[in-house]
Amino acid sequence: GAVVSQHPSRVICKSGTSVKIECRSLDFQATTMFWYRQFPKKSLMLMATSNEGSKATYEQGVEKDKFLINHASLTLSTLTVTSAHPEDSSFYICSAESSGASYEQYFGPGTRLTVT
Amino acid sequence: AQKITQTQPGMFVQEKEAVTLDCTYDTSDQSYGLFWYKQPSSGEMIFLIYQGSYDEQNATEGRYSLNFQKARKSANLVISASQLGDSAMYFCAMREGDAGGTSYGKLTFGQGTILTVHP
Repeated sequence: GAVVSQHPSRVICKSGTSVKIECRSLDFQATTMFWYRQFPKKSLMLMATSNEGSKATYEQGVEKDKFLINHASLTLSTLTVTSAHPEDSSFYICSAESSGASYEQYFGPGTRLTVT
Repeated sequence: AQKITQTQPGMFVQEKEAVTLDCTYDTSDQSYGLFWYKQPSSGEMIFLIYQGSYDEQNATEGRYSLNFQKARKSANLVISASQLGDSAMYFCAMREGDAGGTSYGKLTFGQGTILTVHP
């Protein structure tokens, strides 16, 4: 199956700093990528839909100035958590939509962010 | 209203037995897709099975089958011959408008069910 990578897998940052998370589709082109947030033993909550070459579409309640999304190429989307605070600590997962026949979504392995 | 509902926070099953994980959904779209994912403790999301709303046959993938009852709006996952490695969190998800276009769109996930397989 198609492979999606995320980097870093774990990151610890200090309150007030910014952290960037990369999501790459390794063997296919992804015009659309999705960013999810997950709290322990909870569901995945969609944060935003990232479209190559255009602005991301954010879900209601998600601060676009805090969670900056850039989808600069067909294989890379980045999520930057700006001025991070402890409440931003979470598991962030991206998925990339293949343009194959089934429009399958392939998930990255996730990034665990801890803000101290 | 919840679009995807998984009413079982936790389920236990004996190794080699079958188990059914419940999922009900709510949509007014005629075209939609239903997915099941497995999430082990490592956090990765593993795709298990897909059912399109127009598919007449229930989907099957190895030990996984999806019991699709359209009128009841349910899409239960059946795992046969459970294995210890099946212990994980399981999510049901729906994608509305699941046909055509340049993007099939976002997935909406249920609350998840934690499955524990006992030896």
